[in-house]
Amino acid sequence: EPEVTQTPSHQVTQMGQEVILRCVPISNHLYFYWYRQILGQKVEFLVSFYNNEISEKSEIFDDQFSVERPDGSNFTLKIRSTKLEDSAMYFCASRPTGGGYTFGSGTRLTVV
Amino acid sequence: QKEVEQNSGPLSVPEGAIASLNCTYSDRGSQSFFWYRQYSGKSPELIMFIYSNGDKEDGRFTAQLNKASQYVSLLIRDSQPSDSATYLCAVNGPSNYQLIWGAGTKLIIKP
Repeated sequence: EPEVTQTPSHQVTQMGQEVILRCVPISNHLYFYWYRQILGQKVEFLVSFYNNEISEKSEIFDDQFSVERPDGSNFTLKIRSTKLEDSAMYFCASRPTGGGYTFGSGTRLTVV
Repeated sequence: QKEVEQNSGPLSVPEGAIASLNCTYSDRGSQSFFWYRQYSGKSPELIMFIYSNGDKEDGRFTAQLNKASQYVSLLIRDSQPSDSATYLCAVNGPSNYQLIWGAGTKLIIKP
């Protein structure tokens, strides 16, 4: 069964550093997403991406965050100048038109 | 602010019984409703989704929508210990580009 692949599975970074989280969506899916889940809290929408551009972003997704699709298969989330409160599970998801979302296994980001 | 509410549980159900999970949503215009299962430390796993035009059954799972009362339910028949997890309800946001999530209901199936 097709999967959404995320790397790394766990990232530890020092406060103030930049991190790049990587995702390979399912190949025939057109819509890509980043969500995050702080431990014990709800899943929160960050950004959606369609047709090589951001289609929607949440209040969380400020100038600290950016997304790219550098090569037609990868989909990255960059977090600049990380803060302690950025520690969370970050999930990439993709979906086909009219279909359900398939989530990757997530990247656990720990900012120390 | 669009909201999705779920009872946090835990909901304890004997093995073999029917587990019934509910979720209420605030936006009367919502059209897509998703149920996900999440094991501790893992990513959400899609169980099923329905649109505002009807219910759906898939194996042991049935999703039902009550538009008048603005809630969606998930029934799990013949509950198994492996069904023990947190069940997340999600509803399409106003633009259809995002999902709005409930906090999840923890389900425990007792052998």
